[in-house]
Amino acid sequence: DIQMTQSPSTLSASVGDRVTITCRASRHINGWLAWYQQKPGKAPKLMIYMASSVESGVPSRFSGSGSGADFTLTISSLQPDDSATYYCQQYYSSISFGGGTKVEI
Amino acid sequence: QVQLVQSGTEVKKPGASVRVSCKSSGNTFTDYYFHWVRQAPGQGLEWMGWVNSQTGDTNHPQKFRGRVTMTRETSTTTAYMEMSSLRPDDTATYYCAANYGGNDRFDYWGQGTLVIVSS
Repeated sequence: DIQMTQSPSTLSASVGDRVTITCRASRHINGWLAWYQQKPGKAPKLMIYMASSVESGVPSRFSGSGSGADFTLTISSLQPDDSATYYCQQYYSSISFGGGTKVEI
Repeated sequence: QVQLVQSGTEVKKPGASVRVSCKSSGNTFTDYYFHWVRQAPGQGLEWMGWVNSQTGDTNHPQKFRGRVTMTRETSTTTAYMEMSSLRPDDTATYYCAANYGGNDRFDYWGQGTLVIVSS
């Protein structure tokens, strides 16, 4: 099984800050990685897939990068609406999620 | 665009079973795999498996084999997840999600069903 480790588990930042969340897989996953945003009481929302492809309708301040086993989600200019928990998911071998990163503003 | 609407909150006693439904609309039902993902209170996401809506084939991680059954009914475009021998630590919100490719990203999500297991 592939284990996904996210860091940090919580981060606090200000409006306008550049924010980076890291996701590391226990082995290479060839870019088969997605990022989701989840707000309290709501289902997750797909933001990024194939490590760097932005889902339609997602603001351009969100971007994804990485390869092999190390990936990042970047918010270029943090907005109040970005307060949420973010999860990475690998789908290279079966499916597994990272533990989540809570972004506080 | 696919819409997924799940059944309502369930309260069960330990040892009981629960069945959660996920009604799909808006596109061809048999184009999709239907997955189940659960989230215990205050915790992260845990993938439970998928059912291929066209063939009925299923895939589950070892943890859930023997206790979870995933089915679908093409006539009503509904997917189901049944879990038996419920324990208090099965208390969670259960989400259905749909995608095209089985092991793939989740394009569509239901609103979630809270299952509470308590004596």
